[in-house]
Amino acid sequence: AAGVIQSPRHLIKEKRETATLKCYPIPRHDTVYWYQQGPGQDPQFLISFYEKMQSDKGSIPDRFSAQQFSDYHSELNMSSLELGDSALYFCASSKQGRADTQYFGPGTRLTVL
Amino acid sequence: AQSVTQLDSQVPVFEEAPVELRCNYSSSVSVYLFWYVQYPNQGLQLLLKYLSGSTLVKGINGFEAEFNKSQTSFHLRKPSVHISDTADYFCAVSDLRQGAQKLVFGQGTRLTINP
Repeated sequence: AAGVIQSPRHLIKEKRETATLKCYPIPRHDTVYWYQQGPGQDPQFLISFYEKMQSDKGSIPDRFSAQQFSDYHSELNMSSLELGDSALYFCASSKQGRADTQYFGPGTRLTVL
Repeated sequence: AQSVTQLDSQVPVFEEAPVELRCNYSSSVSVYLFWYVQYPNQGLQLLLKYLSGSTLVKGINGFEAEFNKSQTSFHLRKPSVHISDTADYFCAVSDLRQGAQKLVFGQGTRLTINP
């Protein structure tokens, strides 16, 4: 079965650079979530989109923005990167916003030097 | 708002011994409950979930969990662990809102299996 696809899987950036992470949901899933997992931490919710509209917002810095496109894929844009942004970024998708149908992608490991 | 507390940050057990990973949650509304496993350098894999109905939920890899509403707990158990069960385990909760139902995770429990 098709799963959530994230690209790139690994990304290395310098401080103050920008990064774009991409997420392709499971086919027929209309909801996308972004989570950030710092080293040794639990995943923290950043932002979600339901039917291409922002649905909920968590502890996402103002330097980050995200959107969901007409084909339901999503991009997380991160600017003015800081060392503390180094983390594993997970995308998850679900049908109609239902948590019980939420599946996670493999994650993008971002390292900021 | 929901919150999740995993009472043990690390649990070491011997191979073939039983294990229980504890999870308590706080919420003013009805919730869904989940357990996820994360193997080293990998993503999050769903072990099991409780939505409604029977309070004993069976998942993959021989794990099961019991929902206790009065104690607001959702403890994970396995009767006999294997070396391959070494991983981080996260309990999570989601409310039943309209729109995108995000997950709130506990701090995680590192399960280490010793031979």
